Amino acid sequence: AQSVTQLDSHVSVSEGTPVLLRCNYSSSYSPSLFWYVQHPNKGLQLLLKYTSAATLVKGINGFEAEFKKSETSFHLTKPSAHMSDAAEYFCVVSDQNMRFGAGTRLTVKP
Amino acid sequence: DAGVTQSPTHLIKTRGQHVTLRCSPISGHKSVSWYQQVLGQGPQFIFQYYEKEERGRGNFPDRFSARQFPNYSSELNVNALLLGDSALYLCASSLVVTPLADTQYFGPGTRLTVL
Repeated sequence: AQSVTQLDSHVSVSEGTPVLLRCNYSSSYSPSLFWYVQHPNKGLQLLLKYTSAATLVKGINGFEAEFKKSETSFHLTKPSAHMSDAAEYFCVVSDQNMRFGAGTRLTVKP
Repeated sequence: DAGVTQSPTHLIKTRGQHVTLRCSPISGHKSVSWYQQVLGQGPQFIFQYYEKEERGRGNFPDRFSARQFPNYSSELNVNALLLGDSALYLCASSLVVTPLADTQYFGPGTRLTVL
């Protein structure tokens, strides 16, 4: 069975400081892992995906994530937050089905 | 190129009614998936269709059904609506279906309110 846990429901950072959104997963297979972002009243947008190639995955808008099999983690990071990064972020694990985490709301303070 | 489109954008129904939601995938995409996103939660997988056949189903009651047409567009039908069916219904399209690792592109969703 697969599952995904986003460890923080809400993260607040100041503009220009690093962002860390944490995600742990479990899967009976070798899963693919994704991060999606959802801005208010907009659809889900793919940030990045891991599909068993390089463990450090670079995405759009300066985001990246590192796949750590030993820790079953796929944390999302960004060196410097922008105001426009404020949104809901979803970690997704996909093997037999696509399963979304509960989401982390990122707030960016000026 | 047009992305995934969904109609209608908003819908208000009363309990017991039936609803049909529509989705048009990105041109060339043959797989369509449906998700339910209840306020404050992540999307939950309902169905996936590929080449007009059901290829995956989530843990939803039989009141939920879907189909895919020869042009790869899709409909999601929900019968006997309950208050708990109020949610944002998302459609996503992808090139392939197996495994579910292909990137899915999401539409803006249909917000269903059941009164």
